[in-house]
Amino acid sequence: AQTVTQSQPEMSVQEAETVTLSCTYDTSESDYYLFWYKQPPSRQMILVIRQEAYKQQNATENRFSVNFQKAAKSFSLKISDSQLGDAAMYFCAYRGSNTGNQFYFGTGTSLTVIP
Amino acid sequence: DVKVTQSSRYLVKRTGEKVFLECVQDMDHENMFWYRQDPGLGLRLIYFSYDVKMKEKGDIPEGYSVSREKKERFSLILESASTNQTSMYLCASSLGGRQPQHFGDGTRLSIL
Repeated sequence: AQTVTQSQPEMSVQEAETVTLSCTYDTSESDYYLFWYKQPPSRQMILVIRQEAYKQQNATENRFSVNFQKAAKSFSLKISDSQLGDAAMYFCAYRGSNTGNQFYFGTGTSLTVIP
Repeated sequence: DVKVTQSSRYLVKRTGEKVFLECVQDMDHENMFWYRQDPGLGLRLIYFSYDVKMKEKGDIPEGYSVSREKKERFSLILESASTNQTSMYLCASSLGGRQPQHFGDGTRLSIL
């Protein structure tokens, strides 16, 4: 099975600053999809951003962007101009194109935003 | 917007009880999933289903079963609840390919 590793259990950032959350994965597939999800305290998990492996251009969604390094199997999330509402648990997820419909999740990074 | 609805936000049951967790999605998604979420362990897949009456075991199926009689509904069953099944349970649904999973609010289950 594919593995997804988030090596930072906890991170903190000053409000308005930039923070990068790390994610690495292990796969033998060449085509796959990567996702970052956000889970605020006691609230629903929602999609932040996604990346297709065949696309070289890094995905961006407003203040959120990724640094996708396919050769290194790395998929980090950058949050710019951090806001208090960004405080949450962030999960990195992998879905292969040849491994059926299963998603593989990392163990999560808890982000604290300091006012 | 996709809506995934889990029947309960909080549930307290006793050891040995048969427990049903219900999940309904309104977007005609083929795929539905049940996860449990524990601190430090992330999301672990219990079962998933890619069609009505079809199911596949995930990473931790022991002590659980599932039912999918209709496309929109996916039920998780704890056959005989035990204290080590106290956890947050998340339901999700998705289409195929690049489409993401959509999650319900979660059910925090306590087994006493």
